[in-house]
Order: sequence, then C-alpha cells, then structure tokens
Amino acid sequence: GAGVSQSPRYKVAKRGQDVALRCDPISGHVSLFWYQQALGQGPEFLTYFQNEAQLDKSGLPSDRFFAERPEGSVSTLKIQRTQQEDSAVYLCASSPRAGGPAGELFFGEGSRLTVL
Amino acid sequence: DAKTTQPNSMESNEEEPVHLPCNHSTISGTDYIHWYRQLPSQGPEYVIHGLTSNVNNRMASLAIAEDRKSSTLILHRATLRDAAVYYCIRIAGGSNYKLTFGKGTLLTVNP
Repeated sequence: GAGVSQSPRYKVAKRGQDVALRCDPISGHVSLFWYQQALGQGPEFLTYFQNEAQLDKSGLPSDRFFAERPEGSVSTLKIQRTQQEDSAVYLCASSPRAGGPAGELFFGEGSRLTVL
Repeated sequence: DAKTTQPNSMESNEEEPVHLPCNHSTISGTDYIHWYRQLPSQGPEYVIHGLTSNVNNRMASLAIAEDRKSSTLILHRATLRDAAVYYCIRIAGGSNYKLTFGKGTLLTVNP
C-alpha cells in the first residue's frame, strides 16, 4: 500500500487478555517505530527496529510488552495480560533511513486499544 | 531532555496566516527542529524540519531565530483542514532517532 497500515484500528480487550497489534510499514522502509499515545497526550516512544534488529526497546513500559519484526518488514506489538493503563492509541511509523534525525517519519493511523 | 515549549492553543481565521511559536532555549548546535501535526483520529504527519536556515516547503515555512533558541512555523493561508495539534520537536544530531512530542499546540481555524 501507499502508506503505513495498522490493524486492527480498534480493539477492546478484557483485563488480563493478550493482544497483538500489527503494522505494515511502507515497502522498503528500513526503520520502524512504535509509539504509545494516551488520551490528551503526545505520542511516546516505545521501541525502534532497523530492519529485523530491535535496536532500542527502552520505552516499553513493562515486560508485558513485546515487539518483533522477524523479516524486517511487518511488525507486531504484543501486550500480555492487558491492564487498564494500557488503554491508548498505538502508533507505528516507518522511515526509509536508518536512524535519524533528519527526514520524516511516516505514521499509520494507529490502533486504539481499550482495556475494560 | 530534548524539551521545547509551545502555547497550549491558538486560534486563527480561515485564509489568514498563522504563526506557531516554539521555544527551545537549551538547543545545542547539532539539534534539528522538526514539526509534526496530528489531525483528529489520525497519526502524526510530518510538516517540516530545519537546522539553522529558514526552510520552505509546500505545506509551510519554518523560521529559525539566529540564536536558534526559538522557531516559528508559518502556515501562509490557514484552511479548515489545518486544524490540528502541532508539535515542535527537537532532535539531537547524530543517531538520535526518538521523537519527543510533548503536548503541542492545538490550532483552531475559524471559518
């Protein structure tokens, strides 16, 4: 596709359930990022992949959060045993460049997770 | 901490220019200034970025102060579609790839 695609767009989970959020970056993009955006706040960095290598996972809130990009294209963010505080929009972004800082990131529309 | 300061909100009228300010008084010589905007229910969208010189593209202009402690995003003719949260982000040079968004400025455009 032409842009970054995320699925599902909306997910409702019961507390304690596991969820998986998918990101299809723009074809050929080297870098992939996950951000978390709570209601009324700006996005916050979670993790960064360069191709299949996860170079930075310092923003993941707890060990319940896990991200992978096994073939250097599609990425999945998995949240185990979801808690109410995990409710947020999860944004995926990609870039044709390795690292940063100059140049734009291309964001998807996000996956809105609501944990009841 | 790559901190910037922006007003919480601003208002403009359609067809008029908009000047969105950003303070980054602790900026270092290799830090870039990026602007993103986020329309309701969408992901952030890149607007423009710069290092030292003023920059223009099809969306906006970026005016960077001579001492680089502040910058201004200029929308030359606001449209209703420009209503969004605008984020001014300082990114360290080198290999820093993280965007630190802050709360941004909510721009309202009146018809």
